[in-house]
Amino acid sequence: GQNIDQPTEMTATEGAIVQINCTYQTSGFNGLFWYQQHAGEAPTFLSYNVLDGLEEKGRFSSFLSRSKGYSYLLLKELQMKDSASYLCAVRDTITGFQKLVFGTGTRLLVSP
Amino acid sequence: DTEVTQTPKHLVMGMTNKKSLKCEQHMGHRAMYWYKQKAKKPPELMFVYSYEKLSINESVPSRFSPECPNSSLLNLHLHALQPEDSALYLCASSLLPRDHEQYFGPGTRLTVT
Repeated sequence: GQNIDQPTEMTATEGAIVQINCTYQTSGFNGLFWYQQHAGEAPTFLSYNVLDGLEEKGRFSSFLSRSKGYSYLLLKELQMKDSASYLCAVRDTITGFQKLVFGTGTRLLVSP
Repeated sequence: DTEVTQTPKHLVMGMTNKKSLKCEQHMGHRAMYWYKQKAKKPPELMFVYSYEKLSINESVPSRFSPECPNSSLLNLHLHALQPEDSALYLCASSLLPRDHEQYFGPGTRLTVT
């Protein structure tokens, strides 16, 4: 089966750092994605990890530990516009085709 | 052009209507996807097209019928829907079926009355 867990909601202050965790148990694994989704809008790709370690992309970094089934998204220098839902998604290509299985999403609220 | 476009943005239809959702990308992507997203829930995969062929159907009811007329277009034909089918329908594409990130369109907000 597929099980991807994230905290439901987090709050943080402008300028701070926040870490959003994601744990997964899936039948197949070929990478983990983080997407940002503002209310009523499409998910936007943020980062991708397929090997263990940290990937840095400006204010956003993502970490993966495959042995622990664990990832986190780190957001630095938070801005008000970072208030959104953050979706962790595992890519399963066990069938030979790319299938994204999304976690429930973490709603982040950034306050002044 | 790094965009996936979807039309219409909003659609209200009765349970006896037939309508279609359209998705278009001009990035040369060879895989396209339909997802359904209910309020405050994550997107759920419905269909995957790879090189214009249906590759994955996630046990979606037959009242949803996908079609890929060419490598840039993806349609979702709707017929005899139920109120519980009301949701945001997202289209996505990726360069290749097995690799690369998926780019999402803005979605069609569907309401079935």
